[in-house]
Amino acid sequence: NAGVTQTPKFRILKIGQSMTLQCAQDMNHNYMYWYRQDPGMGLKLIYYSVGAGITDKGEVPNGYNVSRSTTEDFPLRLELAAPSQTSVYFCASSYGVYPYEQYFGPGTRLTVT
Amino acid sequence: SQELEQSPQSLIVQEGKNLTINCTSSKTLYGLYWYKQKYGEGLIFLMMLQKGGEEKSHEKITAKLDEKKQQSSLHITASQPSHAGIYLCGADMNSGGSNYKLTFGKGTLLTVNP
Repeated sequence: NAGVTQTPKFRILKIGQSMTLQCAQDMNHNYMYWYRQDPGMGLKLIYYSVGAGITDKGEVPNGYNVSRSTTEDFPLRLELAAPSQTSVYFCASSYGVYPYEQYFGPGTRLTVT
Repeated sequence: SQELEQSPQSLIVQEGKNLTINCTSSKTLYGLYWYKQKYGEGLIFLMMLQKGGEEKSHEKITAKLDEKKQQSSLHITASQPSHAGIYLCGADMNSGGSNYKLTFGKGTLLTVNP
């Protein structure tokens, strides 16, 4: 199993550009999550999904959108990129039953200039 | 204010020394997860604690959750350079438990000098 995969690994965007961060998992997990990690700030939840067709906002959803058309994929869309969105983005997935251990992807390092 | 406090923020130890990292909250921790992150990589799950007083060990790493379920510690015995990285605690802090959304601490950066 590949686990949780994310593409791209690195990306530089100009202010106002848009992009999609890809995330896929092959563990048949129902739950998927998007986090951002800023230096010294831990992980903040952006969006999450409990199954195909179901998504909900996390702690810091502004400036982002998600979709979940399949169990495997959970892309994160950035519209009108801003410098404040410079961060490392992690996708994670977990089973739909307790204890909800989350498996993380390797991350995407995004810089907006 | 940060709901989940980790201490210390960073730690430098000599190889072979023992160390402890703490994760503290004013709220009840219904599930406590420890992760390790190497620079530029994703998080790797270490251990999960659920019951007050619970203790788990894997190789040279021991994690404990206090009886009140408000503090957890991660103890590394005879540290090695391979233990270096960022250690994060994540917790289910919603009453009633069984909540899949975790709150994370800011992490502890561990450096192990040979």
